[in-house]
Amino acid sequence: AQKITQTQPGMFVQEKEAVTLDCTYDTSDPSYGLFWYKQPSSGEMIFLIYQGSYDQQNATEGRYSLNFQKARKSANLVISASQLGDSAMYFCAMREGYPSDGALIFGKGTTLSVSS
Amino acid sequence: EAQVTQNPRYLITVTGKKLTVTCSQNMNHEYMSWYRQDPGLGLRQIYYSMNVEVTDKGDVPEGYKVSRKEKRNFPLILESPSPNQTSLYFCASSLLGASNTGELFFGEGSRLTVL
Repeated sequence: AQKITQTQPGMFVQEKEAVTLDCTYDTSDPSYGLFWYKQPSSGEMIFLIYQGSYDQQNATEGRYSLNFQKARKSANLVISASQLGDSAMYFCAMREGYPSDGALIFGKGTTLSVSS
Repeated sequence: EAQVTQNPRYLITVTGKKLTVTCSQNMNHEYMSWYRQDPGLGLRQIYYSMNVEVTDKGDVPEGYKVSRKEKRNFPLILESPSPNQTSLYFCASSLLGASNTGELFFGEGSRLTVL
């Protein structure tokens, strides 16, 4: 069974609009971390945001926020005020174990296209 | 500069010719890992290492070998490459332990083509 599921192969948004990229995860471990990475067309992997399973508040980093719904096991990435440079592949990932002891497993990714 | 360095960045080889992709990090990270990225499949873990002399299989270890003799290096070995190992490979590393998030730092990737 997949541990990380990203159900949107592709998403399209206009500049300045907000967009939500979906991610659900599956774990029985009470301690885990959730990550989002961005991969632009140049290929490098860029860390965006982290959420720990015990964190009480949703993580935010600039225009990125993580909508963490623990009971639903979802960790959606919200990008506010999209920019053309946000066009990229986005990966959700999870690491089980407290707080960072296990392997980091990735979803299949969502391609975001931002148009002007 | 803190970084993960992979070499070679690009390689075209032929079936059966042994090759090694090197990976080195200068951040004193305990954890290192290799992933392969294929269209529609995301990043799949090949092998990982929690520390020196400790390695574990990921989701797709067949056809690959690794070693972790030093903390900074984690080479990926393809003893007899086959065309289905044509892929983009990433090495990554992270700290472990209670005071760290476990964020992975990635190398720039190695694009391998096996003919």
